[in-house]
Amino acid sequence: IVMTQSPDSLTVSLGERATIDCKSSQSVLYNSNNKNYLAWYQQKPGQPPKLLIYWASLRESGVPDRFSGSGSGTDFTLTISSLQAEDVAVYYCQQYYSTPQEITFGGGTKVEIK
Amino acid sequence: QLQLQESGPGLVKPSETLSLTCSVSGASVSSDNYYWGWFRQPPGKGLEWIGNIYNSGNTYYSPSLKSRVTISGDTSKNQFSLKLISVTAADTAVYYCAKASGYGLTDYWGQGSLVTVSS
Repeated sequence: IVMTQSPDSLTVSLGERATIDCKSSQSVLYNSNNKNYLAWYQQKPGQPPKLLIYWASLRESGVPDRFSGSGSGTDFTLTISSLQAEDVAVYYCQQYYSTPQEITFGGGTKVEIK
Repeated sequence: QLQLQESGPGLVKPSETLSLTCSVSGASVSSDNYYWGWFRQPPGKGLEWIGNIYNSGNTYYSPSLKSRVTISGDTSKNQFSLKLISVTAADTAVYYCAKASGYGLTDYWGQGSLVTVSS
């Protein structure tokens, strides 16, 4: 499954909204449990990825509520409702629908402050 | 508190074998509730999945690396390991070990280990 993210980079003013899109080459919605096997990660320089969102829209414990995920099937969005300085990072979407045979990531979106 | 820690040489010569070990605390690598995996990230680039091991013996590898990769588990030490043969400069990367839930969600990561392939 190929994951395509857009844009590659994003410059947003503090307090403004940031939106990142992720598209999968095939559906990651598992019909038997109606769950989208799609996660979002945040990665800051020199650190491992940090899980933000899973099942496309559930926030990991401790993640601020300005982060939200939406979408289903093949089209997904990560939204940061009010960008903070600490949100500067690269964001990746990942499909885990085809685990364990395959795990794939989008190419990443770099978010910076304007 | 689940923790993963990569260890191994930071420098490998071209054509030789890259070997890394992931030490796990807070969960058992023999558990059939989790997958244990390796990922890598070349400098300035994105994340790539290398492979998984499940229940200490079942392995799954990225098609692009399958011919060169072996992942194995050591339940006595609660570790799992990565071997990548015939390395080239293109294998220079930060290598991460990670845990995934039974559904495949990668939820815990090690801090990463930079491996440079150079003579």
